[in-house]
Parts: sequence; structure tokens; C-alpha cells
Amino acid sequence: DGGITQSPKYLFRKEGQNVTLSCEQNLNHDAMYWYRQDPGQGLRLIYYSQIVNDFQKGDIAEGYSVSREKKESFPLTVTSAQKNPTAFYLCASSSRGLRTEAFFGQGTRLTVV
Amino acid sequence: QKEVEQDPGPLSVPEGAIVSLNCTYSNSAFQYFMWYRQYSRKGPELLMYTYSSGNKEDGRFTAQVDKSSKYISLFIRDSQPSDSATYLCAKLQTGANNLFFGTGTRLTVIP
Repeated sequence: DGGITQSPKYLFRKEGQNVTLSCEQNLNHDAMYWYRQDPGQGLRLIYYSQIVNDFQKGDIAEGYSVSREKKESFPLTVTSAQKNPTAFYLCASSSRGLRTEAFFGQGTRLTVV
Repeated sequence: QKEVEQDPGPLSVPEGAIVSLNCTYSNSAFQYFMWYRQYSRKGPELLMYTYSSGNKEDGRFTAQVDKSSKYISLFIRDSQPSDSATYLCAKLQTGANNLFFGTGTRLTVIP
């Protein structure tokens, strides 16, 4: 089945640690996105990538980093510089073709302990 | 001005009611519009997408786009308690592949 897979579903991080969230898609989509969702604030864009080896900062990129070495994969690293990393992180992908749609993964809930 | 504006609600309706969820958008570039449903602690799932003005129907759901007024709507007929979720509108600018979301409207359907 085609889709987007995020892992892990739950992640706990100690203060001062970097953690990497995985996002893989087998939909052959060109564009991929990372969003952060906090209660009552909707989706906020962290980074997005339209093609391999290229990515752009979104509205809240500080404290995060990404890479796009393969079309299928767009991992997000939450660094120790991110002051309030506890949130629900969502990855999405979209196509450029005739049938333009965007799909989400099931999310990773990150908690700093 | 935000690309997509959505009333956050919350919205509570009795079972069987018709629900109307609305968003406005800016920028009239070539774009698609989508509605997502998100249950608590889950990723959003795509409900409907549309490009042209007018209505698109899928079962109890109807998506409506009015490009002249830059207004997009989702109607839910015969609402059910299982429809209780947060509904997100979105627009995707083709070519640039920029994806913009509203903040979401939380809907509760009361049995």
C-alpha cells in the first residue's frame, strides 16, 4: 500500500539531546513537508522540500534541521537549540502531477523529559 | 494576511444536523483545495480535494469552492457522532508546491 510512514510514534528526549524523526513515503511524491502541531495553534510549517537535495525553511525552522538525500525520505532533526520541542510532529507529501493531493503520516509525539 | 483563514470553533451540533465549515483564502494563483479530518492524536486524513469552482460531492460530504469570493466550504449532511474531529482546510499551489493550512475547526456531534 502506498503511503507515508513516520517513526517512531512516541519519542522521549532528555534536555540537551538531539533527536531525529523519520519520514518515508512510497507515493513517488516530489514535495515533502514537516509541520508542528500544538494544541489550539493548528499546523505550523517547519521545513519543506520540493526536490531531492533542496529544502527551504518554513515559519518556525529555528532549532530544527532536515536533509533530503533521497526522494522517499525527509528526516527531521530536533536539536538542543529548540527551546520548546514537546509537540506533535507531522510529515506530509504532495505531488506535482495532474491529480494534485497531499497526504500525511500518522505523526510522532515528542516529549522532553 | 494569512494564506488560509479558518474559524477555529469549537462547533457543537446535534446528531443528524447539517454542518457547514468554512475557510477563506488569499492569492488567486493556480491551486487546489483540500479538506482533511483529524481525530485526536492521529495524522490528518484527506477527505476531499477540488480544483474548480462549484460543488463536489462524496457521500454525506460536499466541498464547495467560490473563487470569486475566495471562499471554500465543507458541508456534512446527517452528521454522526463519528464525525466528531478537527477539520482542516488547505490549499496547494501547483507548480510551486506550497501547501497552506487553516488552523482547523473542532467539531463535536452530540448523540
